[in-house]
Amino acid sequence: GDSVTQTEGLVTVTEGLPVKLNCTYQTTYLTIAFFWYVQYLNEAPQVLLKSSTDNKRTEHQGFHATLHKSSSSFHLQKSSAQLSDSALYYCALRGTSSGQKLVFGQGTILKVYL
Amino acid sequence: NAGVIQTPRHKVTGKGQEATLWCEPISGHSAVFWYRQTIVQGLEFLTYFRNQAPIDDSGMPKERFSAQMPNQSHSTLKIQSTQPQDSAVYLCASSSQGRGTGQLYFGEGSKLTVL
Repeated sequence: GDSVTQTEGLVTVTEGLPVKLNCTYQTTYLTIAFFWYVQYLNEAPQVLLKSSTDNKRTEHQGFHATLHKSSSSFHLQKSSAQLSDSALYYCALRGTSSGQKLVFGQGTILKVYL
Repeated sequence: NAGVIQTPRHKVTGKGQEATLWCEPISGHSAVFWYRQTIVQGLEFLTYFRNQAPIDDSGMPKERFSAQMPNQSHSTLKIQSTQPQDSAVYLCASSSQGRGTGQLYFGEGSKLTVL
């Protein structure tokens, strides 16, 4: 089956510095799409980024990610973290063996400090 | 447009009692999903429906959990004989069918606490 791994449970960074959240995956069959979801405190998870094209950079709200099928990765990065970026981030994939469901990683809490 | 609506937002039950959680998907969306969210496990898939038909319930604990979608405007997740380990946030999501990446739109969740 498909699986997604987010190695860090918690990432802390000082405001203004770059941040990277790691995401790797394993899949038995073809993959259709990859997502980063963000969940702010007491809110619903919402899509931050999505991609289905290998080696193409996707950007939104200052964040960017590039799907690299050669290394099975879809890391999330931002060049300058903001206090408002503090949230829970999930990486997810949709594969052909998953039907319409998304398979999520365990999530990474990002805390941005002054 | 209203998003996915989940009720109740918070529910407290005693051990052994039943809990029913409700979800109203986004109008026009044909697929409805249930996930369980905990600190340890993250977002765990439970089950999903497409056009009201159950498609995949591979994540559902078989004995006490059940889900239904009696019409296109709502789905329920029922947990019988609740146990403390069932305490979690239960998230409902919906998605439109057809071409595209299949993005899920989540509700704010129902937080279940089993005492």
